[in-house]
Amino acid sequence: QVQLVEPGGGLVKPGGSLRLSCAASGFSFSDYYMSWIRQAPGKGLEWVSYISGSGGSIDYADSVKGRFSISRDNAKNSLYLQMNSLRAEDTAVYYCATYVPAAVGGWFDPWGRGTLVTVSS
Amino acid sequence: EVVMTQSPATLSVSPGERATLSCRASQGVSRNVAWYQQRPGQVPRVLIYGASTRVSSIPARFSGSGSGTEFTLTINNLQSEDFAVYHCQQYDDWPQTFGQGTKVEIK
Repeated sequence: QVQLVEPGGGLVKPGGSLRLSCAASGFSFSDYYMSWIRQAPGKGLEWVSYISGSGGSIDYADSVKGRFSISRDNAKNSLYLQMNSLRAEDTAVYYCATYVPAAVGGWFDPWGRGTLVTVSS
Repeated sequence: EVVMTQSPATLSVSPGERATLSCRASQGVSRNVAWYQQRPGQVPRVLIYGASTRVSSIPARFSGSGSGTEFTLTINNLQSEDFAVYHCQQYDDWPQTFGQGTKVEIK
């Protein structure tokens, strides 16, 4: 059974850093693109970043470019998101998800349960 | 970026009836649209991709249609487990963007 579990959220002060992780099981992790998606309170979903199976292809939303860094450890079946220079507007539930590439772009399935990141002084 | 606008924000429907959800793109996105269901307390799951291709595990009462800028998710014979929030997503243009969601609630 495919499972994605994201521990690692929490409360952090503005300007601070936090590293999220996502533990994957039930599928061949290294074969799949992975992504982070977030949902701020009362808002819609926002794609944050994705990484290819090998880690050789990475992309970020403009809102996090230069502050967030995605990585993966295929030996540990784990995905990471290093978040620096955090702002109040980064407060959200962060989901990891498998990214399914299509001829153009792609969709996300399955998703982890999400972890809440709160940026507040 | 492409803005996806979902309507209505909330849809009240009786069990057994049909629900029709709309998603409008601010520019043409061909048929590169996916729909997700998020039940209360659960994670989103994809229902439809390519505007109308249903994921194999999804019941046939769910159907998607549309192209360009107008897209529709139809749920026939609403079951209790279908009361949830539904999100549309375009993946035609970078960055891929989501709508604000439509909540389908019991009437």
